Amino acid sequence: GESVGLHLPTLSVQEGDNSIINCAYSNSASDYFIWYKQESGKGPQFIIDIRSNMDKRQGQRVTVLLNKTVKHLSLQIAATQPGDSAVYFCADNLGTSYGKLTFGQGTILTVHP
Amino acid sequence: GAVVSQHPSWVICKSGTSVKIECRSLDFQATTMFWYRQFPKQSLMLMATSNEGSKATYEQGVEKDKFLINHASLTLSTLTVTSAHPEDSSFYICSASGGRDEQFFGPGTRLTVL
Repeated sequence: GESVGLHLPTLSVQEGDNSIINCAYSNSASDYFIWYKQESGKGPQFIIDIRSNMDKRQGQRVTVLLNKTVKHLSLQIAATQPGDSAVYFCADNLGTSYGKLTFGQGTILTVHP
Repeated sequence: GAVVSQHPSWVICKSGTSVKIECRSLDFQATTMFWYRQFPKQSLMLMATSNEGSKATYEQGVEKDKFLINHASLTLSTLTVTSAHPEDSSFYICSASGGRDEQFFGPGTRLTVL
């Protein structure tokens, strides 16, 4: 991911809407990507991952899309709920095999009831 | 899923003192542990990578003599912030890996240096 500054992007949605959170990465060697959810004062929580041999992966209410051509990753959350309010980070492995991750800047998701 | 704990969850110390933070993998053996620092409203920044029984690898700009990392066993890594100063106040997060890509994160430790 690209960590580029002090002001996190924000996304506000109404409960029940679908949310799309975007992320750009810079290293073309990256072959493993993860989305994390971080609530205030807590550590990151794994949401979903995807490897570079795939362009889409679905989980429960979440879908990750990977576009390697433009180095773009997105997280789609269906039927967003107030409990989904958090900061969402993408991370990628820079093509390394020993688990090192670099994190994107994060997006603040606020879900209004 | 795998569980990683950190202790303490928060600590307040005086400037010039040292603080030790523990990171434990509770139900798996962590061949590699990572330490991150997170300032308010910012992303996680990797500080160092530690492998059990060997010296930690520090990221550029991170002072290895100030942030001492010990990974003495497959379930425990410690980060000691030596001679802490107010600018070291931050949220410190560890993660543990069992050898594959996925990392399991601890709950974080909030350090406040007065």
